[in-house]
Amino acid sequence: QVQLVQSGAELKKPGASVKVSCKATGYSFTKYAIHWVRQAPGQGLDWMGWINGGNGNTKYSQKFQGRVTITGDTSANTSYMELKSLRSGDTAVYYCQVATLGYWGQGTLVTVSS
Amino acid sequence: SYDLTQPPSVSVSPGQTARITCSGDVLPKQYVYWYQQKPGQAPLLIMRKDSERPSGIPERFSGSSSGTTVTLTISGVQAEDEGDYYCHSADSGGVVVFGGGTKVTVL
Repeated sequence: QVQLVQSGAELKKPGASVKVSCKATGYSFTKYAIHWVRQAPGQGLDWMGWINGGNGNTKYSQKFQGRVTITGDTSANTSYMELKSLRSGDTAVYYCQVATLGYWGQGTLVTVSS
Repeated sequence: SYDLTQPPSVSVSPGQTARITCSGDVLPKQYVYWYQQKPGQAPLLIMRKDSERPSGIPERFSGSSSGTTVTLTISGVQAEDEGDYYCHSADSGGVVVFGGGTKVTVL
């Protein structure tokens, strides 16, 4: 069955970068886009961007443009989301998602604290 | 960018009907997807393309669309339906937006 398995929780200092991975199994990685969504504590869902699993094209939210990079490795069926220049407001659970199929990763908690 | 507007909260008694709206200027041209989220869990897709219910989602969940508003209806609400509900859509350029979420409380 379809599974999206994300990397583990991260603790980062302000100004640092974080890279979260999302390994996809159970479907053809190149056929669907993978989206990245975050959720700050007690807040709603915030779309960050997506990558086309087939051609690697990306689209980013203006809110994160310039700070986020989403990449994909078709040989490993894995997508990565890197967020730079972290600040305390970036503390959140980060999810990967295959929107068309309705599947989500388990989420990765990123905590930004000095 | 664009916005999707949801009511912050909806309260309903067990067995009654809950309706959650999602409004936005792009909606006459774009589909809406609905997610249910319970505390500590990842969101769960409960409706795709305005009114298509994924397999495994109870029949009491239904969706409809009219102009700039899409509505998720829960008929015969059960205690287990309590949670946060989010709509999501994309514009023609592929930019995705989530609504602010609606907290459903079963009284």
